[in-house]
Amino acid sequence: QVQLQESGPGLVKPSGTLSLICTVSGDSITTPYWWNWVRQSPGKGLEWIGEILHSGGANYNPSLKSRVIMSVDKSKNQFSLELNSVTSADTAVYYCARWDGNNGAGHYWGPGTLVTVSS
Amino acid sequence: SYELTQPLSVSVVLGQTARISCGGNNIGSKDVHWYQQKPGQAPVVVIDRGSNRPSGIPERFSGSNSGNTATLTISRAQAGDEADYYCQVWDSNTAVFGTGTKVTVL
Repeated sequence: QVQLQESGPGLVKPSGTLSLICTVSGDSITTPYWWNWVRQSPGKGLEWIGEILHSGGANYNPSLKSRVIMSVDKSKNQFSLELNSVTSADTAVYYCARWDGNNGAGHYWGPGTLVTVSS
Repeated sequence: SYELTQPLSVSVVLGQTARISCGGNNIGSKDVHWYQQKPGQAPVVVIDRGSNRPSGIPERFSGSNSGNTATLTISRAQAGDEADYYCQVWDSNTAVFGTGTKVTVL
């Protein structure tokens, strides 16, 4: 049973950096799936942030690309998200998920974690 | 950038059929995935690659895709189908979600 769990600070100051980790269990992060981040602002729709392979290859949402860094830690079976220069517009529930490759869907998701940007 | 447009809301009488549209330029040439999201929960795939139902998803859920519109159909709607539904495609190595549709079962 594949499970994902997001972790990280629930509160980030404006202009600071949002950092989240997704811990994967029930599967190895070195399998040929894409590891994704998706967010959802309060009361709004889903927004794709980006994805990364265990090899380090990554694709990012063009609207966020200049502020996003994703990485993989194979030794811990984790992948991470960094989003810098945050504003209140980055307040959202952040989900990590495992997606099938080749233009596939996201079949396994973490429960999500709320990150609030506020001073 | 590629955009997907969905109706804000769809209402369906219990036991009847709901249809949710997802409009995009030549979407018929793409694989469309549909997600169901209930309040406070992560999205769940109900239709994969246009018409495939993942294990555990009732046969009442079906999908079609042609031209500029993809459609998710929920037959014999049940109270438990009340949720937000999102379509999603890939365009130039970017995942794009639809605007989302709130389904209400009356």
